[in-house]
Amino acid sequence: AQKITQTQPGMFVQEKEAVTLDCTYDTSDPSYGLFWYKQPSSGEMIFLIYQGSYDQQNATEGRYSLNFQKARKSANLVISASQLGDSAMYFCAMRGGSGNTPLVFGKGTRLSVIA
Amino acid sequence: GAVVSQHPSRVICKSGTSVKIECRSLDFQATTMFWYRQFPKQSLMLMATSNEGSKATYEQGVEKDKFLINHASLTLSTLTVTSAHPEDSSFYICRGQEGAAQETQYFGPGTRLLVL
Repeated sequence: AQKITQTQPGMFVQEKEAVTLDCTYDTSDPSYGLFWYKQPSSGEMIFLIYQGSYDQQNATEGRYSLNFQKARKSANLVISASQLGDSAMYFCAMRGGSGNTPLVFGKGTRLSVIA
Repeated sequence: GAVVSQHPSRVICKSGTSVKIECRSLDFQATTMFWYRQFPKQSLMLMATSNEGSKATYEQGVEKDKFLINHASLTLSTLTVTSAHPEDSSFYICRGQEGAAQETQYFGPGTRLLVL
């Protein structure tokens, strides 16, 4: 079984600063994928970034980067140059194995960007 | 990128009525559709997984007779909440996936259900 742990219920960051949202995971599958989603108050799930367990390099997408430390089973999201529009809930998720397996989500972290 | 539409976006209904939520994949074939439920200030919880043309697989604790899932085509999956009660009020969101690739999975915008 897969498990995702996000230990930060809420985070504050000053506008234009960088922030790291923590995520640790547990799985027995040798192949898995890690995802980060942003959920604004509208409720839609916005895909941010993906990291495969066999990827050699950390994933990056614009201002988002994933600090993947496989031995520690962590997949922290780093948001650089925070913007007011980044204020939202952020969910870390994992899909284990291959095929049509569902995503397992962490409890989420609410990020508030302060002007 | 690929789009999944979901309708209705919001619905208010009386207790005891049934509500149907539709998810359509607009430019890809959703061989698998996942249905999630999210209560306020909580995470997404998987309700069921459906593969096109097959019966849905429900998670433990989810009543299959109450939450009817139909995935009759590669572009349409429906979730019907039968005899809805106030405790069914929640945010329901679908996620479509094409094949087995990790990246080809897309969420619908969600449906807010309020049962009075």
